[in-house]
Amino acid sequence: QITLKESGPTLVKPTQALTLTCTFSGFSLTTTGEAVGWIRQPPGKALEWLAVIFWDGEKRHSPSLKSRLTITKDTSKNQVVLTMTNMDPLDTATYFCARRRGWGSWFDYWGQGTPVTVSS
Amino acid sequence: DIQMTQSPSSLSASAGDRVTITCRASQSIGSYLNWYQQKPGEAPKLLIYGASSLQSGVPSRFSGGGSGTDFTLTISSLQPEDFATYYCQQGYSTLGFTFGGGTKVEIK
Repeated sequence: QITLKESGPTLVKPTQALTLTCTFSGFSLTTTGEAVGWIRQPPGKALEWLAVIFWDGEKRHSPSLKSRLTITKDTSKNQVVLTMTNMDPLDTATYFCARRRGWGSWFDYWGQGTPVTVSS
Repeated sequence: DIQMTQSPSSLSASAGDRVTITCRASQSIGSYLNWYQQKPGEAPKLLIYGASSLQSGVPSRFSGGGSGTDFTLTISSLQPEDFATYYCQQGYSTLGFTFGGGTKVEIK
């Protein structure tokens, strides 16, 4: 059974950094082809892909947010960590992690999402 | 970046209706197109991958088509549980796995 769960602060102040952790089970990021990504969704708005990290350590980031994002993995803990710097109220959103699969890079299993509010 | 444009942004339909949602990519993405369903307060659920392959467990009334830049998601006979928001997502460019703006399917 594959599960993913996001954790992190629900409230951050403007200019602070946000660190979110995705803890997963049922697959391993040491297995060829596996990857985990982060997607966010501002209230009432569409999904926005943020970043993905692959089994071999390769990383991809949203071009518009690349300078603010860092994605890392800890395979011993089955965790993927996303850090976003210089948070702004416009970054208020629910943040999801999901397993990325296949040649077409679809996301087949998702966490429940964690809400993050950016406010002073 | 590859931009994904969905249409319509919302639609009203009745149970039993046939519904088609369109997704257009700003450049050719082959068959690297995936569809998701999202209900309020829930995570998205994968429906279709690779433009036309049905994810395991998804009812056969959902189907996907298209290639290149133009894609469709069709619900052959809308059921009450299908009222939700639908998103397309391209998996072609690793520079960005872009999502479309969403299509909200509402009860008529």
